[in-house]
Amino acid sequence: DVKVTQSSRYLVKRTGEKVFLECVQDMDHENMFWYRQDPGLGLRLIYFSYDVKMKEKGDIPEGYSVSREKKERFSLILESASTNQTSMYLCATGTENQPQHFGDGTRLSIL
Amino acid sequence: GEDVEQSLFLSVREGDSSVINCTYTDSSSTYLYWYKQEPGAGLQLLTYIFSNMDMKQDQRLTVLLNKKDKHLSLRIADTQTGDSAIYFCAEISGGYNKLIFGAGTRLAVHP
Repeated sequence: DVKVTQSSRYLVKRTGEKVFLECVQDMDHENMFWYRQDPGLGLRLIYFSYDVKMKEKGDIPEGYSVSREKKERFSLILESASTNQTSMYLCATGTENQPQHFGDGTRLSIL
Repeated sequence: GEDVEQSLFLSVREGDSSVINCTYTDSSSTYLYWYKQEPGAGLQLLTYIFSNMDMKQDQRLTVLLNKKDKHLSLRIADTQTGDSAIYFCAEISGGYNKLIFGAGTRLAVHP
């Protein structure tokens, strides 16, 4: 069974802080994704990675960066957190023509 | 660009059938997915259908696909209180099995 683990379920940070969200998968999947989920907007793709050290922008990359130094780990970085980045963040993994598998999400509040 | 649309709310009586509808735009999508999200949790893959199929049945779930109208539906028979959740429709778009999600339909089941 695929396991996708996000490091924190809940996180509270202050405006201007640098924030790291971590995601680890145990299935050797090539592709990893970061989404944010906001009511009425569904899931929007921030960034994805298709291999170690490779990354592609999604639909809303502004204010975010990512890092993939090892195949199993994909980090989302908020360079200088702002209140409009308060949201639920979801990590997913997948491989070609297979459904994506999701972590439990991190609910991030920026004060 | 690609878009996936769903109605936002559905309320049904326990024991009735629920039908959640979705329209999509990318006619080249090979797979279409239904995910379920329970409160405070990540997304769980519920079922999926390959684009050359019209229907797929899995216990209480029936997925219907109308490729001509780009319309997908999920029918839940004998709806139970445990089915209360948000249901997301998603289509594959582009490479690396990127998904485009609808906004999600919140299903409320009442006695």
